Amino acid sequence: QKEVEQDPGPLSVPEGAIVSLNCTYSNSAFQYFMWYRQYSRKGPELLMYTYSSGNKEDGRFTAQVDKSSKYISLFIRDSQPSDSATYLCAMRKGGSEKLVFGKGMKLTVNP
Amino acid sequence: DAGVIQSPRHEVTEMGQEVTLRCKPISGHNSLFWYRQTMMRGLELLIYFNNNVPIDDSGMPEDRFSAKMPNASFSTLKIQPSEPRDSAVYFCASSPHTGIQETQYFGPGTRLLVL
Repeated sequence: QKEVEQDPGPLSVPEGAIVSLNCTYSNSAFQYFMWYRQYSRKGPELLMYTYSSGNKEDGRFTAQVDKSSKYISLFIRDSQPSDSATYLCAMRKGGSEKLVFGKGMKLTVNP
Repeated sequence: DAGVIQSPRHEVTEMGQEVTLRCKPISGHNSLFWYRQTMMRGLELLIYFNNNVPIDDSGMPEDRFSAKMPNASFSTLKIQPSEPRDSAVYFCASSPHTGIQETQYFGPGTRLLVL
């Protein structure tokens, strides 16, 4: 079993839809949880950063962490064509700089 | 402010040849990471440095891969000899290692094709 599991999709939605992206993990030592966005032929860029359990909201984006279930989610409200990208979850243990990534979910938002 | 710089952006080589990928981290960042991304395996950490010292190289696939960081502003990842299965996008990332909401900033990547 991989440490971090993410459905690679692809996922295609109409503009304005609510998008839900998810990852599960097996290592309970993970404390920091991130979502990166990667546009085609570009490097990943940090989108959301969460410590431990709870929710974090930034504009149209909400990140949720449920440590009891080892499950993290990213919600995108009012999705836009510019949100079309690959979304990767990532996580790390406290005191470590080493990130473990999910394989990424390719999202397409159709106008 | 320039981001992480990688060169070359594209590399096509033949099996058995030596390949050298280069990275210039963001000025002031003291942690540097090398990743490999493929469709099959996703984004994998190969090695990372802190203050120019290799901290964890457990992701380096085999002895054909080596990485160096001779100073704070330059790092190389070398593959010798290269094999077709090394074809991937190689990313370099750097981080300020402040311990507070650390973010890794990725370069644009080097697309490597080994024929």
